[in-house]
Amino acid sequence: LAKTTQPISMDSYEGQEVNITCSHNNIATNDYITWYQQFPSQGPRFIIQGYKTKVTNEVASLFIPADRKSSTLSLPRVSLSDTAVYYCLVGPPGGSYIPTFGRGTSLIVHP
Amino acid sequence: GAVVSQHPSWVICKSGTSVKIECRSLDFQATTMFWYRQFPKQSLMLMATSNEGSKATYEQGVEKDKFLINHASLTLSTLTVTSAHPEDSSFYICSARLTSVKGEQYFGPGTRLTVT
Repeated sequence: LAKTTQPISMDSYEGQEVNITCSHNNIATNDYITWYQQFPSQGPRFIIQGYKTKVTNEVASLFIPADRKSSTLSLPRVSLSDTAVYYCLVGPPGGSYIPTFGRGTSLIVHP
Repeated sequence: GAVVSQHPSWVICKSGTSVKIECRSLDFQATTMFWYRQFPKQSLMLMATSNEGSKATYEQGVEKDKFLINHASLTLSTLTVTSAHPEDSSFYICSARLTSVKGEQYFGPGTRLTVT
């Protein structure tokens, strides 16, 4: 399984764009990159998933360079409610893949 | 998206008693469900993989006789914490995986267990 490395914490202010980078140097050819958001005392919530280049949905964008050894989750114009822990997971879709979580990035958005 | 529920959302029990936590996929069938445990300020730790109709696969260090997992149907998996101790107090989260090509995973809201 590809090991992931993320910053432990980040601070931002309301209205700013936040970029959280995840390193996954040993990503496999058939691995996807998935990001989850978790609020205290809640289960993780799916944010976005991608394989290469750029993926965008109503919540975030995911940028993946050509070598796929890293990825960046971009949150546009964050608000206080975006304060949460963000996890990057790397693995193949379905099958026997067992999702395991790293330490995640604790994002704090200040007024 | 798909919805996963857990019941109860929180429970308090006394040392030595057993507690059952249910995980249900409400609008989809899940061949595979996962059980995680999360202590304060820590990440989710995978406890076991639950496959419908077969025995669960436990991660190293997780006592299978203490944490009983049953996945009797495609929409329900249960985790029973037997002979609970205060150190079992934690946040337990389940997830269910779609039986699709991408195998998207959806998480339950979690169950807070406090053992007194």
